[in-house]
Amino acid sequence: RKEVEQDPGPFNVPEGATVAFNCTYSNSASQSFFWYRQDCRKEPKLLMSVYSSGNEDGRFTAQLNRASQYISLLIRDSKLSDSATYLCASGGSYIPTFGRGTSLIVHP
Amino acid sequence: NAGVMQNPRHLVRRRGQEARLRCSPMKGHSHVYWYRQLPEEGLKFMVYLQKENIIDESGMPKERFSAEFPKEGPSILRIQQVVRGDSAAYFCASSLGQGWYEQYFGPGTRLTVT
Repeated sequence: RKEVEQDPGPFNVPEGATVAFNCTYSNSASQSFFWYRQDCRKEPKLLMSVYSSGNEDGRFTAQLNRASQYISLLIRDSKLSDSATYLCASGGSYIPTFGRGTSLIVHP
Repeated sequence: NAGVMQNPRHLVRRRGQEARLRCSPMKGHSHVYWYRQLPEEGLKFMVYLQKENIIDESGMPKERFSAEFPKEGPSILRIQQVVRGDSAAYFCASSLGQGWYEQYFGPGTRLTVT
């Protein structure tokens, strides 16, 4: 079983839609969690860290569910510019583990 | 710009040549990670270094690949006798501390082996 799993998508949504991604992790000792955004042929960029109490930054909300071992990312009022691949990562030891990413396509 | 720097951005090598990829971490960061990414695939961890030390190289092929992070200067990922299968994007990331800290990525080096 992979340590961090994501639905690869693509999620195809219209502008203005709300979309949610989940990411499951297998290492119950994981202590920290992150969401990254990666545009085509670019480097991953840190979107937000995920805290036990959840984290909100504008249109983006991240939540952690330790009991079920998953983290989620909610994007409200999707913009065309949100089209990208979203990677989740979990860190419990010194090496974070990345999922393969979920592709989001926002269309007019 | 105090971000993670990588060079070259693009590197073309013929089979059998050597490739040297450089990474300068973000200012104040002493932890460096190297990843490889193939098209349509996820990030594959290769090696984790701190200054003058290789902490974990479990993701790096045993042959032809080596990495260093000297006391002075950038971290270097070296691939000897490159083969076509080495063609990929190589990303470097740095962080303030170990895995529970956020990582910040450089722009990557795209290696093409002809």
